[in-house]
Amino acid sequence: GAVVSQHPSRVICKSGTSVKIECRSLDFQATTMFWYRQFPKQSLMLMATSNEGSKATYEQGVEKDKFLINHASLTLSTLTVTSAHPEDSSFYICSARASSGGGAIDEQFFGPGTRLTVL
Amino acid sequence: AQSVTQLGSHVSVSEGALVLLRCNYSSSVPPYLFWYVQYPNQGLQLLLKYTTGATLVKGINGFEAEFKKSETSFHLTKPSAHMSDAAEYFCAVSEEEAGTASKLTFGTGTRLQVTL
Repeated sequence: GAVVSQHPSRVICKSGTSVKIECRSLDFQATTMFWYRQFPKQSLMLMATSNEGSKATYEQGVEKDKFLINHASLTLSTLTVTSAHPEDSSFYICSARASSGGGAIDEQFFGPGTRLTVL
Repeated sequence: AQSVTQLGSHVSVSEGALVLLRCNYSSSVPPYLFWYVQYPNQGLQLLLKYTTGATLVKGINGFEAEFKKSETSFHLTKPSAHMSDAAEYFCAVSEEEAGTASKLTFGTGTRLQVTL
């Protein structure tokens, strides 16, 4: 099956620093990747949709200058949390949607998540 | 706009008992419906999905769900619970057609507890 990886799985940083999270589709090409945020015991909230080679589309209320998304290739998208603050602490999950060449066209494959803790 | 309501944030069943997790949706167009399972500190794993065709959908690990348009429901069931089924379950809906970026809207989740 399609595998999506995230790195790192866990990161602790100081307030004011920036953190980069990588999302990779390991065995398929993903034209679209999604970034979600999940607070403890809550549901996933879509932050942005990332399309390869174009600017990400952010959901309402998500600061695009704070959460920088880059989708430079068909297998890699990165989320950078800039000037992180304690309220940015959360579980960040990415998903990847297969391009028409493989995988179910209407299925998203999820990464294992990255737990960010900002001190 | 699409939305999902999961009734019951926490469900507890005995091992071997029927599992029923409820999901109701709201959608302006025929929906695609999904159930995902999440184990602690992990991402989501697709259990099953409904797109078109047969309204009773069978998924992995013995789970199934039935799409009922008249009731706008997509409840998840399993005849006999196993201890390994203990996890968080999310129902999700997508309105976009296949071939476009399918934005998922998730319910708030139901935590399933399985007791001996």
